[in-house]
Amino acid sequence: GAVVSQHPSRVICKSGTSVKIECRSLDFQATTMFWYRQFPKQSLMLMATSNEGSKATYEQGVEKDKFLINHASLTLSTLTVTSAHPEDSSFYICSATPLYEQYFGPGTRLTVT
Amino acid sequence: DAKTTQPPSMDCAEGRAANLPCNHSTISGNEYVYWYRQIHSQGPQYIIHGLKNNETNEMASLIITEDRKSSTLILPHATLRDTAVYYCIVRVGVTNSNSGYALNFGKGTSLLVTP
Repeated sequence: GAVVSQHPSRVICKSGTSVKIECRSLDFQATTMFWYRQFPKQSLMLMATSNEGSKATYEQGVEKDKFLINHASLTLSTLTVTSAHPEDSSFYICSATPLYEQYFGPGTRLTVT
Repeated sequence: DAKTTQPPSMDCAEGRAANLPCNHSTISGNEYVYWYRQIHSQGPQYIIHGLKNNETNEMASLIITEDRKSSTLILPHATLRDTAVYYCIVRVGVTNSNSGYALNFGKGTSLLVTP
């Protein structure tokens, strides 16, 4: 099946620093990728839709200046958490659709100290 | 998207069939039923989807009632590795490849498979 990878799988950073998370579709091209966030014991919440070659679309309540999304190619989207704070600690998951089903990356565990 | 209702948790003995129900009484004619699961600390995994006919693949079977207001995901021989949160999601079908639609995850059913 289709494969979506994420890097890094885990990252610990200090408060105030920025962290970049990469999402790659390994065997298909995706004009659209999605970024989700999941807090402990909660379900996935859509943060933004990443569109190749254009600006991302953010869900209500998600700060676009804090969560920078770049979809520079048909196989790569990046999410940068800027000026991270402890409340940004979460599980970040990306996804993409090669045809009809949506495939998810393995997730990135971000811990901000 | 139509709303779905699932039991918060279920238990199943290893080797037995796990039947996970989902209610979607407000589903509209062009909406599909999708099932995903999430094993702890991993990304969700696609299982199966269907419109109105029953579907089967190597992972599971999906039974959709004739009025399409509910469905059941069947794992025919549950194993310990099937312990996960199972999400039933109703969504319009994707007509254009390479784009897709975001998924609205509810709380799902936490399935525990016991030895």
